[in-house]
Amino acid sequence: DAKTTQPNSMESNEEEPVHLPCNHSTISGTDYIHWYRQLPSQGPEYVIHGLTSNVNNRMASLAIAEDRKSSTLILHRATLRDAAVYYCILKRSNQAGTALIFGKGTTLSVSS
Amino acid sequence: ETGVTQSPTHLIKTRGQQVTLRCSSQSGHNTVSWYQQALGQGPQFIFQYYREEENGRGNFPPRFSGLQFPNYSSELNVNALELDDSALYLCASSTPRGSTLLNTEAFFGQGTRLTVV
Repeated sequence: DAKTTQPNSMESNEEEPVHLPCNHSTISGTDYIHWYRQLPSQGPEYVIHGLTSNVNNRMASLAIAEDRKSSTLILHRATLRDAAVYYCILKRSNQAGTALIFGKGTTLSVSS
Repeated sequence: ETGVTQSPTHLIKTRGQQVTLRCSSQSGHNTVSWYQQALGQGPQFIFQYYREEENGRGNFPPRFSGLQFPNYSSELNVNALELDDSALYLCASSTPRGSTLLNTEAFFGQGTRLTVV
């Protein structure tokens, strides 16, 4: 399985930017980098994904290192609703089809 | 456009029984994946269906089986329930963008909470 390494937990204050790091040193050329988050008592929610270039959407930005061995999810202004477990996932085609293989994720706490 | 819906939302079964969980995928999505999430853990991949065929499987025993129907809805069946099968079962749907599922997002349902006693 494609392994990613994330900090267990991070803390932020409301309205401040949050940078969530992810290391994926064994990434292969065709792996896509996906981020999902899971709020308490809900199913996971798609945040953003990319292959090589940085990506922006209404929820967040994804900064991908030039060698693709790491990436950073950026929440530009954290809100209390952003408190969740954030999963960084390498999506590839293998015996699991193209399923998302979740790790432990980073638990983000946001304080007012 | 409707989202992913799962039924039932909660279920209590006795050890040794069989259970069927259902998932209605998002409109137009032809790929469904099932996950098991134990308390405090990340979701664990069970299997994936693409156009009614199993397209991948995680490390789960054969008593976990599934089906995908022509309308792309899906079922997860678990036989001979064990206490450790107690978990949140999640369904996710997606559809290829171009020729690949890698470059597309998955949409998850709210899950079915299964308790085995």
